[in-house]
Amino acid sequence: GDSVTQMEGPVTLSEEAFLTINCTYTATGYPSLFWYVQYPGEGLQLLLKATKADDKGSNKGFEATYRKETTSFHLEKGSVQVSDSAVYFCALIQRGAQKLVFGQGTRLTINP
Amino acid sequence: GAVVSQHPSWVICKSGTSVKIECRSLDFQATTMFWYRQFPKQSLMLMATSNEGSKATYEQGVEKDKFLINHASLTLSTLTVTSAHPEDSSFYICSAPTRTDTQYFGPGTRLTVL
Repeated sequence: GDSVTQMEGPVTLSEEAFLTINCTYTATGYPSLFWYVQYPGEGLQLLLKATKADDKGSNKGFEATYRKETTSFHLEKGSVQVSDSAVYFCALIQRGAQKLVFGQGTRLTINP
Repeated sequence: GAVVSQHPSWVICKSGTSVKIECRSLDFQATTMFWYRQFPKQSLMLMATSNEGSKATYEQGVEKDKFLINHASLTLSTLTVTSAHPEDSSFYICSAPTRTDTQYFGPGTRLTVL
């Protein structure tokens, strides 16, 4: 079945550091890919998405590119802030399906 | 983006009582909604798919009689935890897909059973 694998956390960085959170997937066909962010005590918020190969999703300084050849959707940000501290989930959904397949989540802590 | 609300945001109840959690899509209609459970520092576990006008579809291992789901309208799904016990304490989150298949999540409900 389909699956998503994220780099294990926790990840701790200093403010203004460069961020990469790796995400790879196993799926048939061409799923849509998502990054969600969860702040402490809250639900998930959609951060960005990409629906086809080579698409780049971006939002709030975060970017991720849908790489079909490497089955990856790595999340990047050039300069992180303390407010970016949260848990980040990579997920996919097959076309026509409704169930999201989540990675295990990566906890990110940014120190001032 | 689309907005999904949940109510209540937190609830504390005594063991043996039932608790109802509401999930609403505020600015779009959703024939399907999803209910998740999240344990501390873990990913989301899909419990069931709520279908408007028909029975919910439960994931393997989820007790149907314990977690009652009703999808009363195109904007409202409810999850009732019946005869709650301390092991049911958890963070419950709902989501709803829009027409673009992008799912939006509610803010979650923290249930504590004493």
